[in-house]
Amino acid sequence: RKEVEQDPGPFNVPEGATVAFNCTYSNSASQSFFWYRQDCRKEPKLLMSVYSSGNEDGRFTAQLNRASQYISLLIRDSKLSDSATYLCVVNPYGGSQGNLIFGKGTKLSVKP
Amino acid sequence: ETGVTQSPTHLIKTRGQQVTLRCSSQSGHNTVSWYQQALGQGPQFIFQYYREEENGRGNFPPRFSGLQFPNYSSELNVNALELDDSALYLCASSYGQGQETQYFGPGTRLLVL
Repeated sequence: RKEVEQDPGPFNVPEGATVAFNCTYSNSASQSFFWYRQDCRKEPKLLMSVYSSGNEDGRFTAQLNRASQYISLLIRDSKLSDSATYLCVVNPYGGSQGNLIFGKGTKLSVKP
Repeated sequence: ETGVTQSPTHLIKTRGQQVTLRCSSQSGHNTVSWYQQALGQGPQFIFQYYREEENGRGNFPPRFSGLQFPNYSSELNVNALELDDSALYLCASSYGQGQETQYFGPGTRLLVL
């Protein structure tokens, strides 16, 4: 089983749609969780951290279910500028090592 | 912009050659992590340097080595290049060796022929 698995995509949605991405992770001791966004041929950029209580940033909502080892990202009212690859990211260690484990990413294409 | 810079932006090498990639961390950051991203894949952790010491290593062979300098900039060296080393090499800087957010540079795109 891969350490971080994501929906393969691609997701092709019209502007204004709501789209949800899912991700599972294998290491139950994982400490912190993130969604990164990567535009074509660019570096990954932090979109948001994910907390057990769930968190929202404008049109974006992230949820974490530790019992199921499941992370989600919901994008409401999709914009053309949301088109990118969304990477689910897990930091499996507590404190001493900060390497990030990335999923393969899910490509989102928002069409007019 | 994150303030993390990498050089060069692109590089073409042949099999068996050696390459050195460079990264300047964001001001105030003392940790640099290196990642390899092959086409269509997520980034894979190579190693991390914290205050000039290696602080963790991913599943990469010893021909991948690195350094961190007193100003916290870093180098990634790859010896005996193989075709599969063709990838985007990303460095990320952060403060501390734990859970702090990592900020990525624009990457170096390496092609091995």
